[in-house]
Amino acid sequence: DVVLTQTPSTLSATIGQSVSISCRSSQSLLDSAGNTYLYWYLQRPGQSPQLLIYLVSNLGSGVPNRFSGSGSGTDFTLKISGVEAEDLGVYYCMQATHAYTFGAGTKLELK
Amino acid sequence: EVQLQQSGPELRRPGSSVKLSCKASGYSITDYLMHWVKHRPEHGLEWIGWIDPEDGETKYAQKFQSKATLTADTSSNTAYMQLSSLTSEDTATYFCAMDGGLGVMDAWGQGASVTVSS
Repeated sequence: DVVLTQTPSTLSATIGQSVSISCRSSQSLLDSAGNTYLYWYLQRPGQSPQLLIYLVSNLGSGVPNRFSGSGSGTDFTLKISGVEAEDLGVYYCMQATHAYTFGAGTKLELK
Repeated sequence: EVQLQQSGPELRRPGSSVKLSCKASGYSITDYLMHWVKHRPEHGLEWIGWIDPEDGETKYAQKFQSKATLTADTSSNTAYMQLSSLTSEDTATYFCAMDGGLGVMDAWGQGASVTVSS
């Protein structure tokens, strides 16, 4: 099974600070057709997960453009350019190239 | 507007089973795959499997092969997940999520809580 390793596990930030979360895969997520099925989700406390980024770098519908995704192969990054209070929660990367796997999550909290 | 309405909280004894429902509105469930995801705060999210409601095809994570059974009723536009031989490890919140294409889970149910306790 593909393992996704997220770092850090906890991230403390102030409002307005820019932060990044890393997601490293145990196998390349590039498939034979040239697609990379890597996604980012945010789960706010007590809520369902919501899609932020799909296919590495595409913004989900209605997602603010302070969120951005990048990476290739086995190394991926989610960046938040200017944290807002509504961004607090747990961030998960997920891959769908080799079945489906979620990372362990990164909790974003206020410093 | 796409909405997924899940069934309410469940309390079960160890060894029993439970069947959760996920009723879709705003689209036909035959148009997209439906995923099921397990959430425990200390373990994060785990993918259980998906069903193609159009033909009933299913795919499960190896860990849930003998634990979960996914079905769908196109007449009521509802997907179901049955969990069997329940243990305390099955205590969790379970989400259904519509796959809008390209593996994107872009619509989620509100979650259904299952508690397994004697």
